[in-house]
Parts: sequence; structure tokens; C-alpha cells
Amino acid sequence: EAQVTQNPRYLITVTGKKLTVTCSQNMNHEYMSWYRQDPGLGLRQIYYSMNVEVTDKGDVPEGYKVSRKEKRNFPLILESPSPNQTSLYFCASSLFWSDHMNTEAFFGQGTRLTVV
Amino acid sequence: GQNIDQPTEMTATEGAIVQINCTYQTSGFNGLFWYQQHAGEAPTFLSYNVLDGLEEKGRFSSFLSRSKGYSYLLLKELQMKDSASYLCAVTLDSWGKLQFGAGTQVVVTP
Repeated sequence: EAQVTQNPRYLITVTGKKLTVTCSQNMNHEYMSWYRQDPGLGLRQIYYSMNVEVTDKGDVPEGYKVSRKEKRNFPLILESPSPNQTSLYFCASSLFWSDHMNTEAFFGQGTRLTVV
Repeated sequence: GQNIDQPTEMTATEGAIVQINCTYQTSGFNGLFWYQQHAGEAPTFLSYNVLDGLEEKGRFSSFLSRSKGYSYLLLKELQMKDSASYLCAVTLDSWGKLQFGAGTQVVVTP
């Protein structure tokens, strides 16, 4: 089954304790992206990746890191989480970015992160 | 800065038609997405407009006017399951940078 898998689905952690949220897709998609969603603010892009070893900042990259060492995985790293990073996080992937016929993005189920 | 505006909430009756407007003022534009998101779930893709005009896909249609910085999503023959948030998103460049509007909550009543 074609899907984007995020782990964990729920996480409560303490300020300053490094964490990684994993994202994996099994569709051989080139493009992957991370978003956070907060009430009243909608989805905001954190980082995105055009392909392996190619990443760039989105709208709200501060406090986050990403890596794209292989096509299927795009982990989101919080080196020193703070309470303002409490949010719902989504990972998404799509086949190609430049090909307008294949821009449909598939989203993971989300990770609800609470930093106390 | 980037501005993408959508109404916060719209209410319509089952079987009716609702039009959700999205206006944008952005530094770049490569295309415009519409997504549907049910409460507690991930967004799902509805449409992607690159060129001006109307694109129809079943009960849903999406329109784009690049010169006016305007798009709308038209939902026809509303069903209760269409109650959801509808997100408008602009692609700012050819590399994949995206900006979302805050979303429009559509409530369908019997």
C-alpha cells in the first residue's frame, strides 16, 4: 500500500531533550516536506527536499533540522525542543515537483508533539 | 511578506453549492493547491491550478486568475461528509516552497 509513515504519532517530551520524528514513503517520491499546524495559523512549511541531499528552508525553519540521505526517508530533528514547538506535525511527499502533472502530495498521519 | 486570505468559516445546506475564495499576494507564484482536511486527520489533495481557468473534478471545481491573485474552490451538491477545513496553498517557486492560507471551515447542515 502506497503511504507516508510518520513516527511517533504522539510524543510528550521535556524542554531541551533532543528528539527525531521519522518520515518514510514507499512511493519513490522525489519531493518531501515537513509542516507544522497550529490553531488559527494553518499549515506552515518547515523544510522541504527536492531530492536526496537537496534540502531548503520553508517558512518556519528555526529550531529544526532535516536530512535526506536516502530518497525514502526525511527525518525532522529538534536538537533542543522548546514549548513553542508544541504542535501537530505533518510530513508529505509527491512524485516530482517540477512536473505539474504529478504534484499531488500524500500526507502522513501526523505527529502530535508536546514539549513541557 | 506573503499574504494568503481565505474566509474563516462558511455554512451551507446539504445539496447546495458553496464557493470558497482565496486571494493571494506573494513574492512568487508557480501554482495553487486546494486541500481538504477533516478534523484530526491529514490533508488530502483536491486540485492544483497552474494556468488561468476552471478545472472540474467531479463535484469539486477550482478556478484560478493569476492576474487578479484569486482562486476559488466550488463544491457542488454538498454532502454531510464535505464538512471539513479547506486549505489554499501557493507554490512560491519552482523548488517546492509552499505557503498556506489559514483554512476555511465549511459546515454542512441538514
